[in-house]
Amino acid sequence: LAKTTQPISMDSYEGQEVNITCSHNNIATNDYITWYQQFPSQGPRFIIQGYKTKVTNEVASLFIPADRKSSTLSLPRVSLSDTAVYYCLFISGNTPLVFGKGTRLSVIA
Amino acid sequence: EPEVTQTPSHQVTQMGQEVILRCVPISNHLYFYWYRQILGQKVEFLVSFYNNEISEKSEIFDDQFSVERPDGSNFTLKIRSTKLEDSAMYFCASNEGGQGFRYGYTFGSGTRLTVV
Repeated sequence: LAKTTQPISMDSYEGQEVNITCSHNNIATNDYITWYQQFPSQGPRFIIQGYKTKVTNEVASLFIPADRKSSTLSLPRVSLSDTAVYYCLFISGNTPLVFGKGTRLSVIA
Repeated sequence: EPEVTQTPSHQVTQMGQEVILRCVPISNHLYFYWYRQILGQKVEFLVSFYNNEISEKSEIFDDQFSVERPDGSNFTLKIRSTKLEDSAMYFCASNEGGQGFRYGYTFGSGTRLTVV
């Protein structure tokens, strides 16, 4: 089973750009990389998903190098409300998402 | 934006009692999932459901658990005889199916189950 590795926690000041890197050395050809955000006592929320190169939406960017062995979620100009746990996962078709421990991001004023 | 709705938001039950957790997935979604999260731990997959049958289940989803889509809109998780260790947040999720997985899975806000 493909596994992801990401930092347990990160701190950032408000207004900074935050980059969370995820390692996934044994990603399969059919796997997409997907990121979710979870606030305390709430369900995970989809942020962004990609296969390779760069994907950008209104909340984040996702950078995936050509070898696909890692990916970086970039959050521009974070605010206090971005304090949450961020999960890097694989998805292939409609298979169940398998969550790890994620990265706990704390944004400081 | 369409939502996955879960009820109740919080349920307290006595050990050994049956509970039913309810979910209304997004109307055009075809795949449905239940997850749980014990306090302070990671989100764990329980079961997935497609075309009116279980498509995949985890080791956690033993004979005490069952799922049903009784009326084409609701998706329920039943725990037949609750144990203290069943206390957790239970999340329902759904996705479109087909290539719709590319747009992410939508999770509900959860039901906090407390077994006493």
